[in-house]
Amino acid sequence: KQEVTQIPAALSVPEGENLVLNCSFTDSAIYNLQWFRQDPGKGLTSLLLIQSSQREQTSGRLNASLDKSSGRSTLYIAASQPGDSATYLCAVRQGGSEKLVFGKGTKLTVNP
Amino acid sequence: GAVVSQHPSWVICKSGTSVKIECRSLDFQATTMFWYRQFPKQSLMLMATSNEGSKATYEQGVEKDKFLINHASLTLSTLTVTSAHPEDSSFYICSARGGDAGQGVGYTFGSGTRLTVV
Repeated sequence: KQEVTQIPAALSVPEGENLVLNCSFTDSAIYNLQWFRQDPGKGLTSLLLIQSSQREQTSGRLNASLDKSSGRSTLYIAASQPGDSATYLCAVRQGGSEKLVFGKGTKLTVNP
Repeated sequence: GAVVSQHPSWVICKSGTSVKIECRSLDFQATTMFWYRQFPKQSLMLMATSNEGSKATYEQGVEKDKFLINHASLTLSTLTVTSAHPEDSSFYICSARGGDAGQGVGYTFGSGTRLTVV
């Protein structure tokens, strides 16, 4: 059974700092991995999608990497801003399945 | 990009009544939609997979008679919480895969519905 873990559970940083969020998964037979952002009381906004054959994806100040063999993904946020404050979730889609397995998320607070 | 619209965004109902939540794919067709439940400070838990024109597939432990799912068209899935009780209070979110056909497409989520049963 796939399990997804995100560390740390919460992170507080000053504005402008670069930071890394971690996601690990137990079963490396994944189809893809997706990073989401969730604001309080809101739905999920997709940030980056990495296919199992890819190593990384970039969008603006965000860069996500994937090391399938070790079961790890990282989300790198450059030059953090207060508007980046949110909970970041990673989700894995297993090969042969349409289901997503989510981690519990990392709550990020960027202080002005 | 793909947009999934979910309504209502919040609802308060009395114990014993039923509540319907709608999930619409606005600019693409979704043969499959997913319904999740999220408890405070917890991750999303998949409740069921909704398939257009056929019965939904429920995850283990989810009562199919309590959480009725209908996916009558390629753009609309509904979740009805029947005979709601306070323990059904939660945040419900739907999602769909698309809007491009083929492989490599991620999932788009609705904005969620906060259900409070009093």
